Amino acid sequence: DSGVTQTPKHLITATGQRVTLRCSPRSGDLSVYWYQQSLDQGLQFLIQYYNGEERAKGNILERFSAQQFPDLHSELNLSSLELGDSALYFCASSVGRTSGYYEQYFGPGTRLTVT
Amino acid sequence: GQQVMQIPQYQHVQEGEDFTTYCNSSTTLSNIQWYKQRPGGHPVFLIQLVKSGEVKKQKRLTFQFGEAKKNSSLHITATQTTDVGTYFCLGDNFNKFYFGSGTKLNVKP
Repeated sequence: DSGVTQTPKHLITATGQRVTLRCSPRSGDLSVYWYQQSLDQGLQFLIQYYNGEERAKGNILERFSAQQFPDLHSELNLSSLELGDSALYFCASSVGRTSGYYEQYFGPGTRLTVT
Repeated sequence: GQQVMQIPQYQHVQEGEDFTTYCNSSTTLSNIQWYKQRPGGHPVFLIQLVKSGEVKKQKRLTFQFGEAKKNSSLHITATQTTDVGTYFCLGDNFNKFYFGSGTKLNVKP
């Protein structure tokens, strides 16, 4: 158990809909990262927040947005969903601000299926 | 484009054989991390390398960081079925970080 929690575990929705994925980081971690992993693919970095502010941006679509709240939990909002958005979405957390320098702890992921 | 290339994409070995995966960056890295993702699981941190030419060992796993800090390797000696999974490198180039595409290791008993 990494200490990072993600809800829901599974999500099935239709094209055009909007969903929100939730992540609670490990206690004490200030950075939250979001990743997308399509079937048998690598990890695509979407976005990082540090202590409530956007820190780094990856290949995040304009239809996707995220935020980190004062209690440090984070939400990833996916809108106008398309079939190609079906994937496993991981949240990770780390203690520090510098993205690639601190060990990242990954949550169990949310499996999103768009039908 | 892709800043950290990882090869091979797949590797099938017989239990007891060795395995190596390589990561190469087009730019100098400040550090590199390695993660393992078991089938159906989430990535788990293995190790971080920071110094030029650094070599670290964890039991049967040996991690190396190149002298120019542009490449790294993970070598597993005498693979076991518990080594099955996908191994990812994460390279940080002082400003951005990049995950390699991963090497999926299958070990036949």
